[in-house]
Amino acid sequence: DGGITQSPKYLFRKEGQNVTLSCEQNLNHDAMYWYRQDPGQGLRLIYYSQIVNDFQKGDIAEGYSVSREKKESFPLTVTSAQKNPTAFYLCASNWGALNTGELFFGEGSRLTVL
Amino acid sequence: AQKVTQAQTEISVVEKEDVTLDCVYETRDTTYYLFWYKQPPSGELVFLIRRNSFDEQNEISGRYSWNFQKSTSSFNFTITASQVVDSAVYFCALRTGANNLFFGTGTRLTVIP
Repeated sequence: DGGITQSPKYLFRKEGQNVTLSCEQNLNHDAMYWYRQDPGQGLRLIYYSQIVNDFQKGDIAEGYSVSREKKESFPLTVTSAQKNPTAFYLCASNWGALNTGELFFGEGSRLTVL
Repeated sequence: AQKVTQAQTEISVVEKEDVTLDCVYETRDTTYYLFWYKQPPSGELVFLIRRNSFDEQNEISGRYSWNFQKSTSSFNFTITASQVVDSAVYFCALRTGANNLFFGTGTRLTVIP
C-alpha cells in the first residue's frame, strides 16, 4: 500500500546528542515536509522540500537539518543546538509546491530528551 | 498574516449527540484553501475535507458536514450522532501560498459512551 513511513516511532536521546528521524514515501510525491507538534499547539513547519536536492526552511528551522538525496526520502536531524527538542514530529508529502491539495501524513515520531 | 483560531480546546459529548467544532481564519489573500484533519490516538493526521475560497457551498459526507462562511471567515465542522470512534483531535488548516499549511491549535473531542 502507498503511504508514508516514519521511524522510529519512539526515540529517547540524551542531551547533546544528534538524532535522525527517517521519513520514506512511496506515493511518488515531489514535495515533502517536516512538522513539529507540541501539546496544545498546532503543527509548525520545520523544513520542506519541493524537489530532490532542494529544501527550504520553515518557521522553526533552527537546530534542525535535512537532506533530500532521493525523491522518496526526507530525513530530519535534530541537532544538539535545538534547545527544546522533546516533541512529536510529523512528516508529510504531496504532489508539489503548486498543488494545493491536501498533505498526506505519516504516523509520527515521538522524541524525548532525557 | 495568516492565522487559524480554534477557540475550543476540548469538548466532551455523550454518544449520539451532535457537536460542532469551530474554526475562524484570517488571511488577506483572495485565493485560499481550508482543510480539516482528524488526529486519532495513533498520531497520524487524516484528511477530511478541502474547500477553496471560491466555493461556499456547504458539504455533507455521511455524519460529517461543513459550513463555510466567508462573511464571518469561518469554516465550522459538525458531527451528527457522534460515536466513540469520533474521539480525536481535530485540526483546521489554511493554505494560501504554495508552501505551507497554517494549522489551528486543535480541538480535542471526547465522545462518552
